[in-house]
Amino acid sequence: SQQGEEDPQALSIQEGENATMNCSYKTSINNLQWYRQNSGRGLVHLILIRSNEREKHSGRLRVTLDTSKKSSSLLITASRAADTASYFCATGRIKAAGNKLTFGGGTRVLVKP
Amino acid sequence: NAGVMQNPRHLVRRRGQEARLRCSPMKGHSHVYWYRQLPEEGLKFMVYLQKENIIDESGMPKERFSAEFPKEGPSILRIQQVVRGDSAAYFCASSVGGSREKLFFGSGTQLSVL
Repeated sequence: SQQGEEDPQALSIQEGENATMNCSYKTSINNLQWYRQNSGRGLVHLILIRSNEREKHSGRLRVTLDTSKKSSSLLITASRAADTASYFCATGRIKAAGNKLTFGGGTRVLVKP
Repeated sequence: NAGVMQNPRHLVRRRGQEARLRCSPMKGHSHVYWYRQLPEEGLKFMVYLQKENIIDESGMPKERFSAEFPKEGPSILRIQQVVRGDSAAYFCASSVGGSREKLFFGSGTQLSVL
């Protein structure tokens, strides 16, 4: 399977609930990034976590990284209808040229009002 | 500071025609990446360029696809003799440089091949 697999593939929650999605990868990485994509639009960068970091926060977002398990999680707290989107993790690999990112298949999140 | 600009937003081509997709990176960014996204899938890396150089084209199909990033002007992704399977959203991203920087994405070009 490809680098950067998200789980679950789809998630449906009520407004105000928390949404958690996971990402697993296979090779050593420099960094891991989470992006959001609204239907038919480009990607919006949410958060970058480096390989020597374990947790980062940004507003209602919390990202963890466990390099021993090669996994990351994205938590969206107190979700809003506007959080409805697809969420992708992307890994930047060590020794790769530039910051070529490998994307997973995404988690489609639906937040119901 | 304008973001990554891609044009056209939508492009319709008939089979056998050529498609040219343009990407202007953010001001001050000298690294450009092209990705392709099929419906309901993640983005697949195609090519990474710096000014006048192709650094990594490991994701480019061997035939019909080419990319450039000239000293002046936008980066161009060119698809010759398009086929229906080329229909996808093509995204460009840019970065300041280095291996630890985040990528900024454009809004993409939706290519439809009739």
